[in-house]
Amino acid sequence: GQQVMQIPQYQHVQEGEDFTTYCNSSTTLSNIQWYKQRPGGHPVFLIQLVKSGEVKKQKRLTFQFGEAKKNSSLHITATQTTDVGTYFCAGPLSGTYKYIFGTGTRLKVLA
Amino acid sequence: NAGVTQTPKFRVLKTGQSMTLLCAQDMNHEYMYWYRQDPGMGLRLIHYSVGEGTTAKGEVPDGYNVSRLKKQNFLLGLESAAPSQTSVYFCASSYSSLGGYNEQFFGPGTRLTVL
Repeated sequence: GQQVMQIPQYQHVQEGEDFTTYCNSSTTLSNIQWYKQRPGGHPVFLIQLVKSGEVKKQKRLTFQFGEAKKNSSLHITATQTTDVGTYFCAGPLSGTYKYIFGTGTRLKVLA
Repeated sequence: NAGVTQTPKFRVLKTGQSMTLLCAQDMNHEYMYWYRQDPGMGLRLIHYSVGEGTTAKGEVPDGYNVSRLKKQNFLLGLESAAPSQTSVYFCASSYSSLGGYNEQFFGPGTRLTVL
């Protein structure tokens, strides 16, 4: 079945360093969503990408959707302690509203 | 607006017991979802609903049942709880748009332990 994998599983960075997480789907996605979950919290929507090759920015966060619409990335510039949490990508199963979530990347930022 | 709320927040069950988790949303969303989250496995879709009176299976539906009698509520039932159902359960909702996909709003979660 369709799978969505994320790498790395964990990432520890010093505050001020950059961070990137990658999301890879086994099938083409019509769109991809990114969520952030703080420790002990619930997932919170960050962004949705729809177009092939799309790049969107939110302050220090840059999101990309691959040309083949099978992969995506989230890059954080100059991490801050407020960036701590787990970042998930999610894509819909082809032709449905059933979302498959990636395994997530847990980010720790050391002050 | 309260957004998406879940009841209860915590629950401990014994194997074989039954329970119902309640999800309520006040955003008039058409779509509602139940996920479970286990360490290192992300979120897995249990069941979902695209409208009042309709439900469908997700990735991991076995051992669970759902009902959507009212648009604002989505109930998740465990008929005979098993230790493998120990997890954190999240409900989510999203609005519908013609052919489009939209952000999911998540509830705070229910932490369930089955002994």
